[in-house]
Amino acid sequence: KNEVEQSPQNLTAQEGEFITINCSYSVGISALHWLQQHPGGGIVSLFMLSSGKKKHGRLIATINIQEKHSSLHITASHPRDSAVYICADLRREGAGSYQLTFGKGTKLSVIP
Amino acid sequence: EPEVTQTPSHQVTQMGQEVILRCVPISNHLYFYWYRQILGQKVEFLVSFYNNEISEKSEIFDDQFSVERPDGSNFTLKIRSTKLEDSAMYFCASSLEAGPYEQYFGPGTRLTVT
Repeated sequence: KNEVEQSPQNLTAQEGEFITINCSYSVGISALHWLQQHPGGGIVSLFMLSSGKKKHGRLIATINIQEKHSSLHITASHPRDSAVYICADLRREGAGSYQLTFGKGTKLSVIP
Repeated sequence: EPEVTQTPSHQVTQMGQEVILRCVPISNHLYFYWYRQILGQKVEFLVSFYNNEISEKSEIFDDQFSVERPDGSNFTLKIRSTKLEDSAMYFCASSLEAGPYEQYFGPGTRLTVT
């Protein structure tokens, strides 16, 4: 059974700090999603990547397929980055559809 | 920018009642999903839908659940006889095609069963 593990579960940072959230998965995947969940509950897709690295503003996501590991980095963190960050792997179950399997999320709090 | 919308944002219902959660996926997307998140837990896959039929469903998606695309825009999740444990946030998502494409999520419907 595929498991997606995230660390840390909770993270408190001072404004301006560089932040890293880690994600490991147990089974080969097609791609990995990084998602942001706001306090109100809504989910926003940040990245989908299947190799290498992607950058969007202050956010950087990397993935190492061989090690089954991905990281999300936030540079120059800001209080508005406070949210739950979720990684989810996308894989196909046999001949079925592609499905997302979610990690439990990392709750990030950035203090001014 | 196109987005997935969901209605209602919050639904309160009594145990045993039927509820229908509605979603309008992004217009040119062909693959649709429902996910559930019980408070304090991780998001879980319920069902995927493509070409007017269920493509995949999880163990959670039992006979109490059904999905439908009644017209060209709406995608609905029906729970026939709600239980207390159905209380959760329900997210709809859509993707462009069948395959490893990015999924776009709606804002969710919070279902409270009393």
